[in-house]
Amino acid sequence: KQEVTQIPAALSVPEGENLVLNCSFTDSAIYNLQWFRQDPGKGLTSLLLIQSSQREQTSGRLNASLDKSSGRSTLYIAASQPGDSATYLCAVRLNSGSRLTFGEGTQLTVNP
Amino acid sequence: GAGVSQSPSNKVTEKGKDVELRCDPISGHTALYWYRQSLGQGLEFLIYFQGNSAPDKSGLPSDRFSAERTGGSVSTLTIQRTQQEDSAVYLCASSLDRTYEQYFGPGTRLTVT
Repeated sequence: KQEVTQIPAALSVPEGENLVLNCSFTDSAIYNLQWFRQDPGKGLTSLLLIQSSQREQTSGRLNASLDKSSGRSTLYIAASQPGDSATYLCAVRLNSGSRLTFGEGTQLTVNP
Repeated sequence: GAGVSQSPSNKVTEKGKDVELRCDPISGHTALYWYRQSLGQGLEFLIYFQGNSAPDKSGLPSDRFSAERTGGSVSTLTIQRTQQEDSAVYLCASSLDRTYEQYFGPGTRLTVT
């Protein structure tokens, strides 16, 4: 059974800091990995999708990396802003399936 | 274009009543998913529809839960004889097909009293 772990569970940083969120998964036979953002009381917003054959994806100030063999992904956020405050979720899809298996999330607070 | 929409946004019901939750996927998306997000359980998969294929129901927690997708578009998740442990946010997602990025709706917050 695929298990996804995110560290840290919560993170508080001052505005402008660069930060890294970590995601690990137990079954490396993944098809792709997706990072999401969730604001309080809202649905999920897709940030980045990395296919299993890719090493990283970039969108603006966000960069996600994938090391499938070691079962790890990181989300790097550059020059953090208060508007980045949200919960960040990592989710993986196995080769054999269609569903996403989610981590518990990292709650990020960026202080002005 | 329009994203995934869900209705109602909030639903309060009494224990033992039946509820129906609706999802309108993005136009042209053949894959549709239901997930549930509850305190202490995180986000868990419920059911998946792909085109005209038989749905993957392996995530449904009990036989009180069922879902259908009519005409390959709108989906309804039905919970019969609701229990307090059914209280959660029910999220719907769609994608072009099973291999593509999933896009989520805003969710329906269900409270069973």
